[in-house]
Amino acid sequence: KNEVEQSPQNLTAQEGEFITINCSYSVGISALHWLQQHPGGGIVSLFMLSSGKKKHGRLIATINIQEKHSSLHITASHPRDSAVYICAVRGSYNTDKLIFGTGTRLQVFP
Amino acid sequence: DAGVIQSPRHEVTEMGQEVTLRCKPISGHDYLFWYRQTMMRGLELLIYFNNNVPIDDSGMPEDRFSAKMPNASFSTLKIQPSEPRDSAVYFCASSTQGAGEQYFGPGTRLTVT
Repeated sequence: KNEVEQSPQNLTAQEGEFITINCSYSVGISALHWLQQHPGGGIVSLFMLSSGKKKHGRLIATINIQEKHSSLHITASHPRDSAVYICAVRGSYNTDKLIFGTGTRLQVFP
Repeated sequence: DAGVIQSPRHEVTEMGQEVTLRCKPISGHDYLFWYRQTMMRGLELLIYFNNNVPIDDSGMPEDRFSAKMPNASFSTLKIQPSEPRDSAVYFCASSTQGAGEQYFGPGTRLTVT
């Protein structure tokens, strides 16, 4: 079993829909990252969080440390949001190493 | 700032050849990470450096892989000899804190035939 699991693996949506991508992890962590990988391959960091909730534009990330679960929400989705979204966790034992989920491929159609 | 710079962007080589991938981190960033991405395994950390010193190389697959960071503005990842299973996209990333936001380079797509 992977230490970081994402669901769903693939997601299609119509423009304007509210989207949720989930990330569950089985190890103790000190931080969780959400990354976006564009169709061209470039990777961008969206959020880093260790508790609560963060918002940036139409993107919202939440984390529940007790339940070892995080969600990434996209409000009013747009075709330009089409990308692979990757969850990664940093362990809590004096390491800067990130462990990655396998990603969620999102396609938003007009 | 130009961001993290990687070269080459694409590399095609024959099995058995030596391959060298290069990375220039963002100025002022003292952490540098090398990742490999494949369809089967996703993103994996190979090695990371702090202040030019390798901290964790547990992800380096075998002795054919080596990485160096001779100064704060340059790092190399070398594969010798290369094998077809090394075909992947190799990303370099840098950050100001090990646990902080990482800035990724555009990646090097390596194909070993």
